[in-house]
Amino acid sequence: EVQLLESGGGLVQPGGSLRLSCAASGFTFSSYAMSWVRQAPGKGLEWVSVITDSGGSTSYADSVKGRFTISRDNSKKTLYLQMNSLRAEDTAVYYCAKNWEVWGQGTTVTVSS
Amino acid sequence: QSVLTQPPSASGTPGQRVTISCSGSSSNIGSNTVNWYQQLPGTAPKLLIYGSNQRPSGVPDRFSGSKSGTSASLAISGLQSEDEADYYCAAWDDSLNGYVFGTGTKVTVL
Repeated sequence: EVQLLESGGGLVQPGGSLRLSCAASGFTFSSYAMSWVRQAPGKGLEWVSVITDSGGSTSYADSVKGRFTISRDNSKKTLYLQMNSLRAEDTAVYYCAKNWEVWGQGTTVTVSS
Repeated sequence: QSVLTQPPSASGTPGQRVTISCSGSSSNIGSNTVNWYQQLPGTAPKLLIYGSNQRPSGVPDRFSGSKSGTSASLAISGLQSEDEADYYCAAWDDSLNGYVFGTGTKVTVL
């Protein structure tokens, strides 16, 4: 069974940093592109970033470009999202997703003073 | 903000057919396939339709998807109470080099 387990969320002050992790199991992690998608409270879904299977190519939403960095460790079957210069508007549940198909349960990030 | 436009709400009585539209442009729906997601209250989104009209295993055949030009639609036939959820369309956008979601449609079973 494909499973994705996010972790690393929490409360952080504006301007702070957090690193999210997504541990994968049940499939050949190194064969799939992986993504981060977020959902602000009471709002719709917003794509954040995607990374190819090898990690050789990445893409970001304009809203996070230059502040967030997606990466992966295929040996550890883990996806990461390094979030710097956090803003109040980054407050959301962050989901990792396997190739747009299977999603984790999400981890909550709250940016507030 | 969302690039794909959906109606904010749709409703029907049990057994009815409900259709949700998703309007995009040549750089997203016009060039790529469409995925549809169902999000039940308090849960993560679940893939409902991929490749514009394909159902993952386990998804009832009451759900069907179609695409024409720069628009797509999701149909739910034989509406059931457990279908009450938010539904989102999504597609890759070649101009934005990113994945774009629809604005979301809340389906209510009357």
